[in-house]
Amino acid sequence: DTAVSQTPKYLVTQMGNDKSIKCEQNLGHDTMYWYKQDSKKFLKIMFSYNNKELIINETVPNRFSPKSPDKAHLNLHINSLELGDSAVYFCASSQYSGPSYEQYFGPGTRLTVT
Amino acid sequence: RKEVEQDPGPFNVPEGATVAFNCTYSNSASQSFFWYRQDCRKEPKLLMSVYSSGNEDGRFTAQLNRASQYISLLIRDSKLSDSATYLCVVISGGGADGLTFGKGTHLIIQP
Repeated sequence: DTAVSQTPKYLVTQMGNDKSIKCEQNLGHDTMYWYKQDSKKFLKIMFSYNNKELIINETVPNRFSPKSPDKAHLNLHINSLELGDSAVYFCASSQYSGPSYEQYFGPGTRLTVT
Repeated sequence: RKEVEQDPGPFNVPEGATVAFNCTYSNSASQSFFWYRQDCRKEPKLLMSVYSSGNEDGRFTAQLNRASQYISLLIRDSKLSDSATYLCVVISGGGADGLTFGKGTHLIIQP
């Protein structure tokens, strides 16, 4: 069974469109994250949710909105897509109270905005 | 000064050699440290945690130097399969807050 899954794996869309990326974890973890990895491979945290509460919100445009229907899901919705949004988006989860804070990553969603 | 810094490389190393690289961090209050590995076009995966006393896992040794604010990763008897990008992770503050990834060091093991 896949621990952290994301859909879709590839997403090609035009500027101005709205899109969503879904993420699910079956590890029973309390915290889920979204990361963006740009063309320079820099991995930057965007959001995290702990028990359905946003606990980190980096300075990302408000076109990006995380939505968590339950503890096992954290979806990422992006409005009015721009060329600069092209990147790989990784979902991850961790046990918030765990001593190791090990993060389990999904396989990534490669977003291309044309 | 950037929060977490790594030499991006690439480090080209012959198979069987020993290679080491460092990661420096700026926040002296940082509490937890990790090395992650990321293969090309794959997701990052935890390689090992870094403890104050240092820790070893097979051919891999991680060390923490709080005085100089850096962590290191040593790979002995390198294998072709060690080729990857190694990401340093530093956590400053409790819980999931203050989690920062370095940009990674690209390692290429050559036959």
